[in-house]
This record gives sequence, structure tokens and C-alpha cells, in this order.
Amino acid sequence: AQTVTQSQPEMSVQEAETVTLSCTYDTSESDYYLFWYKQPPSRQMILVIRQEAYKQQNATENRFSVNFQKAAKSFSLKISDSQLGDAAMYFCACLRTSGSRLTFGEGTQLTVNP
Amino acid sequence: GAVVSQHPSRVICKSGTSVKIECRSLDFQATTMFWYRQFPKQSLMLMATSNEGSKATYEQGVEKDKFLINHASLTLSTLTVTSAHPEDSSFYICSPVAGGYNEQFFGPGTRLTVL
Repeated sequence: AQTVTQSQPEMSVQEAETVTLSCTYDTSESDYYLFWYKQPPSRQMILVIRQEAYKQQNATENRFSVNFQKAAKSFSLKISDSQLGDAAMYFCACLRTSGSRLTFGEGTQLTVNP
Repeated sequence: GAVVSQHPSRVICKSGTSVKIECRSLDFQATTMFWYRQFPKQSLMLMATSNEGSKATYEQGVEKDKFLINHASLTLSTLTVTSAHPEDSSFYICSPVAGGYNEQFFGPGTRLTVL
């Protein structure tokens, strides 16, 4: 069974500052994918960033980057130059390639203060 | 990204009635459909998984006779909440997956309120 844990129910950051959201996971799969999804007040799930487990290089998408530590099973999300529009619930998720089943963490509510 | 529609976006019904939620993948064929339920300030909980033309597989604790899932085509899946009760009030999200893809797409969700 897979588990994904987000230990920070809430986080806040000042506009233009940097914030890191934590995520740890556990899986018996050797090949898997990791994701960060954003869910704004509209509740539409939006893919923020994706990491293939077999890739050592950390994924980056503009202001969003991850710190993927495979041995430690850690997958944190760094948001640089935070913007008001980044305020949302963020979910970390793990996908088994063998079953295409996503396992979600509990979520972290991010507040961006002007 | 892929386009997924869900209808209705919001529904209010009386206790005891049935509600049907439609999920369409508009620009790809979904061989698999996941249905999630999300309560306020909580994560997404997988309810069931369906493959086109097959019976759905339900997660433990989800009543298959209460939450009827039909995945009759590669672009349409429906979730029917039968004899809805106030405790069924929640946000329901569909997530179609195309074969061979390692990324899931999500519908915009349906907010169900049962009075």
C-alpha cells in the first residue's frame, strides 16, 4: 500500500517570499510518479509539477521546484516569489505506474499575505 | 492539458431523491475513470474505479448500490447517488485517465447538497 503524508496542515508566506511545503511518501513500487496539485477556492485540481522517480534531476516549472530525495522518500515543493494567486490547498500525490491509482496526502492550505 | 467537463456543477436535492452526475472527457478517450469524494478541508477520497464496458470496483466502505457508476463509453461516465441523504452532501470529482498516460486529469467537480 502507498501512503503520502503532508505534515503541515497550514502554511503562510509573505508575497514575493519563498515557501517550502513538505511531503513524505512510502511505496513498495520501484517505478512511480510524484505530483503536486493545487486546489484554489474554485476547487478545480490543477497540476503544478510532476517528477518521475527514475529521474535524479529535480523538476522545475517556472517559480515552482521540487526537492526530491528518493532514499528519504521526501518530495517537497518550493514556491519562489510567492504571488497572491498561489493561495490554495496543495496536495502531494503518488502514482503507481502499474495501476494508475493516485494516492493523495492530506493537503496543506497555503495563505499568501500581501 | 486535457479538457474534462462535469455536469451539473452544483445540485441541491431533497432527501430520498437520486442525483446523476456526468463526467465527459472532451478531447481524449478515457479507458479508466476514477470518482472521488471530498469533504470540506479534507483530501480527495477515492470512491470507485471503472473501466469502459466493465463493472466498477468500489473502495472499502463505499456502497455500490448507493453510488451507481456507469462507464458505457470512452468519453462519458456517470455517477448516480441513489436515495440521497444529508450525509451524502459533498464535493464529487471525476478523474478520467487515458490508456498509457501517467497523469490524471480532473473534472471541475460537482457540489451536492442534500436537504
